[in-house]
Amino acid sequence: DIQMTQSPSSVSASIGDTINITCRASQATSNWLAWYQGKPGKAPRLLIYAASTLQIGVPSRFSGSGSGTDFTLTISSLQPEDCATYYCQKANGLPTFGGGTKVEIK
Amino acid sequence: EVQLVESGGGLVQPGGSLRLSCVASGFTFTDHAMNWVRQAPGKGLEWVSTINSASTGTYYADPVKGRFAISRDNSRKTLYLQMTGLRVEDTAVYYCAKDRGTSTFYFDHWGQGALVTVSS
Repeated sequence: DIQMTQSPSSVSASIGDTINITCRASQATSNWLAWYQGKPGKAPRLLIYAASTLQIGVPSRFSGSGSGTDFTLTISSLQPEDCATYYCQKANGLPTFGGGTKVEIK
Repeated sequence: EVQLVESGGGLVQPGGSLRLSCVASGFTFTDHAMNWVRQAPGKGLEWVSTINSASTGTYYADPVKGRFAISRDNSRKTLYLQMTGLRVEDTAVYYCAKDRGTSTFYFDHWGQGALVTVSS
């Protein structure tokens, strides 16, 4: 089974900062990779699919890159509402989520 | 507007059974695969099961294989998850999630979730 490993597990940054979250697959997944935002008590939200395609309605400060085994979610100009846990998920074959990265505001 | 509304959660003893339902609206139900994803308390997301649009293909995560059964009624626009042989480790919020397409495994809309608690 392909494992998805995210780093860091948590990050604290200031409003306006740019942060990067990485996701590494144990085997190549081409570009079959999604990113989700999760907040307590709310339904998860799809941000990015196909590694770099922004889902409709998602602010352009979110971007995704990568292919094969290494992927990155970038949040530019961090906003208070971006405080959440972010998950990567491989979409080739049966889905597997990464362990999550918690983003906090300093 | 896409809406997914889960129901059927609750408290059940280990070894018991429960059936979750998810009523869909706001999109052509028969054009999309549907999924269940769960989140245990304080833990991350875990994919549980997927069913394709015609119910000809079903897929399960190893921890639930043989105990859970996914199904759908396209005439009622409803997705189901029949859970049997429940274990304490099945305790989680169960989300119904819509596939972006016929079977992309990208989950573009989610319900608010149904809490399943397995405890004696």
